[in-house]
Amino acid sequence: DAKTTQPTSMDCAEGRAANLPCNHSTISGNEYVYWYRQIHSQGPQYIIHGLKNNETNEMASLIITEDRKSSTLILPHATLRDTAVYYCIVWDRYSSASKIIFGSGTRLSIRP
Amino acid sequence: AAGVIQSPRHLIKEKRETATLKCYPIPRHDTVYWYQQGPGQDPQFLISFYEKMQSDKGSIPDRFSAQQFSDYHSELNMSSLELGDSALYFCASSLGFPPGQGGGTEAFFGQGTRLTVV
Repeated sequence: DAKTTQPTSMDCAEGRAANLPCNHSTISGNEYVYWYRQIHSQGPQYIIHGLKNNETNEMASLIITEDRKSSTLILPHATLRDTAVYYCIVWDRYSSASKIIFGSGTRLSIRP
Repeated sequence: AAGVIQSPRHLIKEKRETATLKCYPIPRHDTVYWYQQGPGQDPQFLISFYEKMQSDKGSIPDRFSAQQFSDYHSELNMSSLELGDSALYFCASSLGFPPGQGGGTEAFFGQGTRLTVV
Protein backbone atom coordinates (compact mmCIF):
# COMPACT_ATOMS: atom_id res chain seq x y z
CA ASP A 1 0.00 0.00 0.00
CA ALA A 2 1.07 3.56 -0.65
CA LYS A 3 2.55 5.34 2.36
CA THR A 4 1.72 8.85 1.21
CA THR A 5 -1.29 11.13 1.38
CA GLN A 6 -1.86 13.90 -1.13
CA PRO A 7 -4.71 16.28 -1.96
CA THR A 8 -6.91 14.88 -4.69
CA SER A 9 -6.70 18.01 -6.79
CA MET A 10 -5.24 21.51 -6.87
CA ASP A 11 -5.16 24.38 -9.27
CA CYS A 12 -2.71 27.16 -9.88
CA ALA A 13 -2.52 30.22 -12.10
CA GLU A 14 -0.07 30.13 -14.96
CA GLY A 15 3.20 31.81 -14.05
CA ARG A 16 2.70 31.36 -10.33
CA ALA A 17 4.43 28.85 -8.10
CA ALA A 18 2.60 25.58 -7.58
CA ASN A 19 3.11 24.05 -4.16
CA LEU A 20 2.07 20.42 -3.86
CA PRO A 21 2.03 18.96 -0.35
CA CYS A 22 2.54 15.35 0.66
CA ASN A 23 2.27 13.58 3.99
CA HIS A 24 4.39 10.51 4.68
CA SER A 25 4.25 10.20 8.45
CA THR A 26 5.34 6.53 8.48
CA ILE A 27 8.43 7.03 6.34
CA SER A 28 11.37 4.93 7.45
CA GLY A 29 14.97 6.03 7.71
CA ASN A 30 16.08 4.44 4.44
CA GLU A 31 13.20 5.70 2.35
CA TYR A 32 13.67 8.54 -0.06
CA VAL A 33 10.90 10.88 -1.14
CA TYR A 34 10.37 10.75 -4.90
CA TRP A 35 8.08 12.79 -7.10
CA TYR A 36 6.80 11.68 -10.48
CA ARG A 37 4.14 13.15 -12.71
CA GLN A 38 1.94 11.66 -15.38
CA ILE A 39 0.64 13.76 -18.21
CA HIS A 40 -2.53 12.25 -19.65
CA SER A 41 -1.78 8.53 -20.08
CA GLN A 42 1.90 9.08 -20.86
CA GLY A 43 4.54 7.22 -18.89
CA PRO A 44 5.24 8.66 -15.43
CA GLN A 45 8.01 11.21 -15.59
CA TYR A 46 10.66 11.51 -12.89
CA ILE A 47 10.83 14.97 -11.32
CA ILE A 48 13.02 14.98 -8.24
CA HIS A 49 13.92 13.05 -5.12
CA GLY A 50 15.48 13.64 -1.71
CA LEU A 51 16.29 12.01 1.60
CA LYS A 52 16.67 14.74 4.22
CA ASN A 53 17.90 17.90 2.60
CA ASN A 54 15.99 20.18 0.31
CA GLU A 55 16.72 19.57 -3.34
CA THR A 56 16.43 21.64 -6.50
CA ASN A 57 16.83 20.80 -10.15
CA GLU A 58 15.79 22.34 -13.45
CA MET A 59 12.22 21.17 -13.03
CA ALA A 60 11.34 21.74 -9.40
CA SER A 61 12.33 22.11 -5.78
CA LEU A 62 11.64 19.64 -3.01
CA ILE A 63 11.26 20.78 0.57
CA ILE A 64 11.35 18.04 3.21
CA THR A 65 10.45 18.82 6.81
CA GLU A 66 13.04 18.17 9.47
CA ASP A 67 11.11 15.21 10.87
CA ARG A 68 10.68 13.90 7.28
CA LYS A 69 6.99 13.32 7.83
CA SER A 70 5.93 15.64 5.05
CA SER A 71 7.27 17.35 1.97
CA THR A 72 6.32 19.93 -0.63
CA LEU A 73 7.05 19.91 -4.32
CA ILE A 74 7.42 23.38 -5.77
CA LEU A 75 7.07 24.19 -9.45
CA PRO A 76 8.40 27.74 -9.46
CA HIS A 77 6.67 29.10 -12.55
CA ALA A 78 3.82 26.85 -13.55
CA THR A 79 2.87 26.59 -17.22
CA LEU A 80 -0.05 24.92 -18.96
CA ARG A 81 2.26 22.02 -19.77
CA ASP A 82 2.57 21.28 -16.06
CA THR A 83 -1.03 20.09 -15.96
CA ALA A 84 -0.70 16.48 -14.80
CA VAL A 85 -1.20 14.04 -11.95
CA TYR A 86 1.66 14.38 -9.47
CA TYR A 87 2.67 11.39 -7.40
CA CYS A 88 4.59 11.59 -4.14
CA ILE A 89 6.26 8.28 -3.39
CA VAL A 90 8.48 6.94 -0.65
CA TRP A 91 10.94 4.40 -1.97
CA ASP A 92 13.56 2.39 -0.17
CA ARG A 93 16.39 2.16 -2.66
CA TYR A 94 18.33 -0.01 -0.23
CA SER A 95 15.76 -2.81 -0.16
CA SER A 96 16.35 -5.96 -2.17
CA ALA A 97 12.75 -5.75 -3.31
CA SER A 98 12.50 -2.03 -3.85
CA LYS A 99 9.76 -0.80 -6.11
CA ILE A 100 7.71 2.31 -6.67
CA ILE A 101 4.22 2.13 -5.21
CA PHE A 102 1.86 4.74 -6.56
CA GLY A 103 -0.79 6.30 -4.37
CA SER A 104 -3.67 8.42 -5.61
CA GLY A 105 -1.67 11.49 -6.54
CA THR A 106 -2.70 15.12 -6.94
CA ARG A 107 -4.34 16.26 -10.14
CA LEU A 108 -2.83 19.69 -10.81
CA SER A 109 -4.66 22.02 -13.15
CA ILE A 110 -2.96 25.17 -14.41
CA ARG A 111 -5.35 27.92 -15.40
CA PRO A 112 -4.38 30.58 -17.95
CA ALA B 1 19.48 10.38 -24.14
CA ALA B 2 18.13 6.89 -24.67
CA GLY B 3 14.90 6.14 -22.87
CA VAL B 4 12.92 3.05 -21.98
CA ILE B 5 11.40 1.57 -25.12
CA GLN B 6 8.19 -0.40 -25.07
CA SER B 7 6.62 -2.29 -27.93
CA PRO B 8 4.12 -2.41 -29.31
CA ARG B 9 2.59 0.94 -28.40
CA HIS B 10 -0.91 -0.30 -29.12
CA LEU B 11 -2.30 -3.81 -29.18
CA ILE B 12 -5.78 -5.14 -29.79
CA LYS B 13 -6.56 -8.72 -28.85
CA GLU B 14 -9.66 -10.82 -28.51
CA LYS B 15 -10.74 -12.55 -25.33
CA ARG B 16 -8.84 -15.74 -24.56
CA GLU B 17 -5.98 -14.76 -26.85
CA THR B 18 -2.39 -14.25 -25.71
CA ALA B 19 -0.26 -11.13 -25.82
CA THR B 20 3.43 -10.39 -25.37
CA LEU B 21 4.62 -6.95 -24.34
CA LYS B 22 8.28 -6.04 -24.64
CA CYS B 23 10.42 -3.61 -22.68
CA TYR B 24 13.91 -2.43 -23.55
CA PRO B 25 15.53 -0.67 -20.59
CA ILE B 26 17.90 2.25 -20.68
CA PRO B 27 21.42 1.01 -21.58
CA ARG B 28 23.29 -0.28 -18.50
CA HIS B 29 20.11 -0.50 -16.45
CA ASP B 30 19.75 -3.94 -14.92
CA THR B 31 16.41 -3.61 -13.13
CA VAL B 32 13.01 -3.68 -14.79
CA TYR B 33 9.56 -3.05 -13.29
CA TRP B 34 6.15 -3.68 -14.84
CA TYR B 35 2.99 -1.74 -14.00
CA GLN B 36 -0.64 -1.96 -15.06
CA GLN B 37 -2.88 1.12 -15.19
CA GLY B 38 -6.58 0.63 -15.76
CA PRO B 39 -8.86 3.44 -16.96
CA GLY B 40 -9.01 6.21 -14.36
CA GLN B 41 -6.75 4.30 -11.99
CA ASP B 42 -3.23 4.75 -10.69
CA PRO B 43 -0.41 2.50 -11.86
CA GLN B 44 -0.33 -0.84 -10.03
CA PHE B 45 2.91 -2.74 -9.57
CA LEU B 46 2.99 -6.16 -11.21
CA ILE B 47 6.49 -7.58 -11.06
CA SER B 48 10.17 -6.63 -11.11
CA PHE B 49 13.47 -8.16 -12.11
CA TYR B 50 17.04 -7.47 -11.07
CA GLU B 51 19.90 -9.05 -12.99
CA LYS B 52 17.52 -11.43 -14.76
CA MET B 53 16.04 -12.75 -11.53
CA GLN B 54 12.59 -11.91 -10.23
CA SER B 55 13.05 -9.49 -7.36
CA ASP B 56 9.47 -8.77 -6.32
CA LYS B 57 5.92 -9.64 -7.23
CA GLY B 58 2.80 -7.57 -6.86
CA SER B 59 -0.77 -8.08 -7.95
CA ILE B 60 0.06 -10.00 -11.09
CA PRO B 61 -2.54 -12.56 -12.20
CA ASP B 62 -1.45 -16.17 -12.58
CA ARG B 63 -2.30 -15.88 -16.28
CA PHE B 64 0.58 -13.43 -16.65
CA SER B 65 4.24 -14.28 -16.61
CA ALA B 66 7.37 -12.29 -17.24
CA GLN B 67 11.08 -12.69 -17.59
CA GLN B 68 14.21 -10.67 -18.10
CA PHE B 69 16.66 -11.81 -20.72
CA SER B 70 20.46 -11.79 -20.91
CA ASP B 71 20.43 -8.43 -22.69
CA TYR B 72 18.22 -7.09 -19.85
CA HIS B 73 15.16 -6.58 -21.97
CA SER B 74 11.97 -7.96 -20.45
CA GLU B 75 8.79 -9.49 -21.78
CA LEU B 76 5.38 -9.68 -20.14
CA ASN B 77 3.35 -12.62 -21.40
CA MET B 78 -0.39 -12.53 -20.92
CA SER B 79 -2.60 -15.51 -21.64
CA SER B 80 -6.34 -16.17 -21.64
CA LEU B 81 -6.94 -12.46 -21.97
CA GLU B 82 -10.03 -11.02 -20.32
CA LEU B 83 -11.85 -7.77 -20.98
CA GLY B 84 -10.58 -6.50 -17.63
CA ASP B 85 -7.00 -6.78 -18.82
CA SER B 86 -7.55 -3.77 -21.05
CA ALA B 87 -5.16 -1.19 -19.65
CA LEU B 88 -1.96 0.72 -20.10
CA TYR B 89 1.10 -1.35 -19.27
CA PHE B 90 4.21 0.54 -18.27
CA CYS B 91 7.73 -0.66 -17.91
CA ALA B 92 10.37 1.17 -15.92
CA SER B 93 14.08 0.59 -15.57
CA SER B 94 16.77 1.59 -13.11
CA LEU B 95 20.34 0.78 -12.24
CA GLY B 96 20.21 -1.31 -9.12
CA PHE B 97 22.78 -2.57 -6.71
CA PRO B 98 23.03 -5.95 -5.02
CA PRO B 99 20.67 -6.15 -2.06
CA GLY B 100 21.99 -4.40 0.98
CA GLN B 101 24.77 -2.67 -0.88
CA GLY B 102 23.20 0.67 -1.45
CA GLY B 103 20.79 2.23 -3.83
CA GLY B 104 20.95 2.83 -7.52
CA THR B 105 19.44 5.43 -9.76
CA GLU B 106 15.92 6.67 -10.02
CA ALA B 107 13.53 4.69 -12.20
CA PHE B 108 12.54 5.90 -15.65
CA PHE B 109 9.34 4.85 -17.34
CA GLY B 110 8.55 4.00 -20.92
CA GLN B 111 5.60 5.42 -22.80
CA GLY B 112 3.57 2.31 -22.27
CA THR B 113 1.63 -0.23 -24.27
CA ARG B 114 -2.10 0.28 -24.56
CA LEU B 115 -3.75 -3.13 -24.59
CA THR B 116 -7.37 -3.39 -25.64
CA VAL B 117 -9.14 -6.71 -25.24
CA VAL B 118 -12.33 -7.06 -27.26
